[in-house]
Amino acid sequence: QKEVEQNSGPLSVPEGAIASLNCTYSDRGSQSFFWYRQYSGKSPELIMFIYSNGDKEDGRFTAQLNKASQYVSLLIRDSQPSDSATYLCAVKDDKIIFGKGTRLHILP
Amino acid sequence: EAQVTQNPRYLITVTGKKLTVTCSQNMNHEYMSWYRQDPGLGLRQIYYSMNVEVTDKGDVPEGYKVSRKEKRNFPLILESPSPNQTSLYFCASSFQGGGNQPQHFGDGTRLSIL
Repeated sequence: QKEVEQNSGPLSVPEGAIASLNCTYSDRGSQSFFWYRQYSGKSPELIMFIYSNGDKEDGRFTAQLNKASQYVSLLIRDSQPSDSATYLCAVKDDKIIFGKGTRLHILP
Repeated sequence: EAQVTQNPRYLITVTGKKLTVTCSQNMNHEYMSWYRQDPGLGLRQIYYSMNVEVTDKGDVPEGYKVSRKEKRNFPLILESPSPNQTSLYFCASSFQGGGNQPQHFGDGTRLSIL
C-alpha cells in the first residue's frame, strides 16, 4: 500500500517566521510531488510542484525534494496570517496519492 | 476562465434516493477524478477517468458509479446513498493522467445522507 505521511499538526509559527512542512512517501518510483493549500471548507489549490531532487523556489515558497530519503518539504518564508491553512502533500507515479495534511497556524 | 464546476454545492437527501453530482471542466483535460474528504482520513480517490469511455476504480469505489461519455463531463452517481457516504466531495481534472500534470479542483459538494 503506497503511503504519504504528514504530521497532522497543528503547527504554530509566529508571523514573519519560516514555516517548515514535511512529507514522507513510501513508493520509491514516485516521480512528481505537489503541495496544495486548503482553507477550511474550500477546495485544494496548487502551491508548488517539484520533480527533481533539490530546491525549487517560487516567491515565499520553497519546495525541497530528496528522493533518496523519500522526503519532500515545503518552506514558507515571512509567514503571514493568510498562510494559516491545511497543506496537503501529494505524490504521483501511476496514480496520485494525497497525505492527510498538516494544519498550519500563523500566530499574529 | 479555466475551471472545474461541480453541482450541486450542497445537498441533503435521504437514504436510498438516487442522486447525481455533476462535474464539468472547460480546459480540455483528459484526466478527471472524484475524491471524498473526511476528517482524519484526508482525500481519498473514488474513481478516475483517463479519457472518454475510460474509467477505473480508485481507493474507495464501493457505492459509487461514474461515466465519461464526453471529455468535459464526469458525473458521480450514488444509486442508493447511505449515511456513510455523507462527506465533502471534490472533482478534479488534469491535462493528462500520467506525467507531471497537477490537478485542478472544483469547489466541492457537501453531501448529507440522512
